[in-house]
Order: sequence, then C-alpha cells, then structure tokens
Amino acid sequence: AQSVTQLGSHVSVSEGALVLLRCNYSSSVPPYLFWYVQYPNQGLQLLLKYTSAATLVKGINGFEAEFKKSETSFHLTKPSAHMSDAAEYFCAVSLANQAGTALIFGKGTTLSVSS
Amino acid sequence: GAVVSQHPSWVICKSGTSVKIECRSLDFQATTMFWYRQFPKQSLMLMATSNEGSKATYEQGVEKDKFLINHASLTLSTLTVTSAHPEDSSFYICSAGRAGEAGELFFGEGSRLTVL
Repeated sequence: AQSVTQLGSHVSVSEGALVLLRCNYSSSVPPYLFWYVQYPNQGLQLLLKYTSAATLVKGINGFEAEFKKSETSFHLTKPSAHMSDAAEYFCAVSLANQAGTALIFGKGTTLSVSS
Repeated sequence: GAVVSQHPSWVICKSGTSVKIECRSLDFQATTMFWYRQFPKQSLMLMATSNEGSKATYEQGVEKDKFLINHASLTLSTLTVTSAHPEDSSFYICSAGRAGEAGELFFGEGSRLTVL
C-alpha cells in the first residue's frame, strides 16, 4: 500500500536560509509523488510533481525536490527562504499512476520563516 | 490551468440540520472527484471518491449515510452532511484530476463547516 511519511511536523528557518522538508514514501508500484502547499483556510496548491521522468524536479516559487529510489525519499528544498514561504507543506503519493486517482497525504510540515 | 471551485467557503449551522457543499470543475470535465476532510493542524484524510453517474466509494470508517455524495454531472459533485453534529465541524476539501495530468489533483478552496 502507498504511504508517505514526513519527518518533522514543524521546521523553522531564518529568511534567506536553506529550506529542507523531508518526505519518505512507500509504494508497491513506481510512485508518482507530489508536494503541495497550503495557506491558512485555503485549498492546496501544487508545488511540484515527480512522474517518473527527471529525478530532480523543479517547481514553483524556487522549490525543487529530488526523487531518490534507493532512499525512498522525495525531499523538498529551496535555497533561500522567503517570509512568504511560511505555510503548511504536504507530501503526497498517488494510489495509482493515472488520471483520476486519489492521493494519500503525509501529516504535513509547518514551515516558519523568521526575519 | 484546471480550476476547482467549492461553495460555500464558510458555513455555520445548528446541530441536527443538513448542509450541502458543492464542488465544481470550472474548465474541465471530471468523471471522478475526491472529498477530503481536514481537522485543525492535521493532514487531509480521504473520505470518498465521487463517481459521475454512479455511487460514491467511501473509505473505511466514513459513514455513507452521514456524508451523502452526489455526482450528477461531469462538473459538479456535492457533499451533504446530514444531521450535522459538532464533531462534524471540519474543513472539507474537494479535488479532481484532469485527463492527461497523470496523478495530479486540483483542489478547491475548501469549505469550513462549524456546527453549533
């Protein structure tokens, strides 16, 4: 069965510092993996996705993630944090790698950015 | 891009009443939509899969008689919380996938339900 584990429910960084949010997955098939961001009382916005193409995926707002099969990881990074990056981040895996399939989410990581 | 819209964004109701939340795909057709529930500071839990023209598929532990789902058209799914109680208070989010976008789901803005 597919699942994701996000290590660290809360990450705090200073503005301009590196952001690293960790995600490990478990999947019985080659996974499709996603990172979404959620701002308070809003829906989810896709940051980036891995669908078996390049292992280093670049997303919006300067975020990127690297798929490492050997480590079953898909960690999210950003070289320099901005105050506007403060939000909730969710890693997700697709139940089946096709359109119209539900996603299973990790528990989320709250990113705080201080000035 | 693909847009999914929910209505209402906020709803407050009295205990025992029913509340309907609409989820629309505005610029694409969705044969399948998903309803998630999110408690404060927690993750999204899949409640059910809404299938156009057929019965919804509910996840284990989700009461189908409590959470009625109807998917009458390719652009509209509704979630009705029947005989709502305070423990049903939550953030409900719908999502849909678009053909050709393998795996990716597009999310509505969410609906905050508060049951008094």
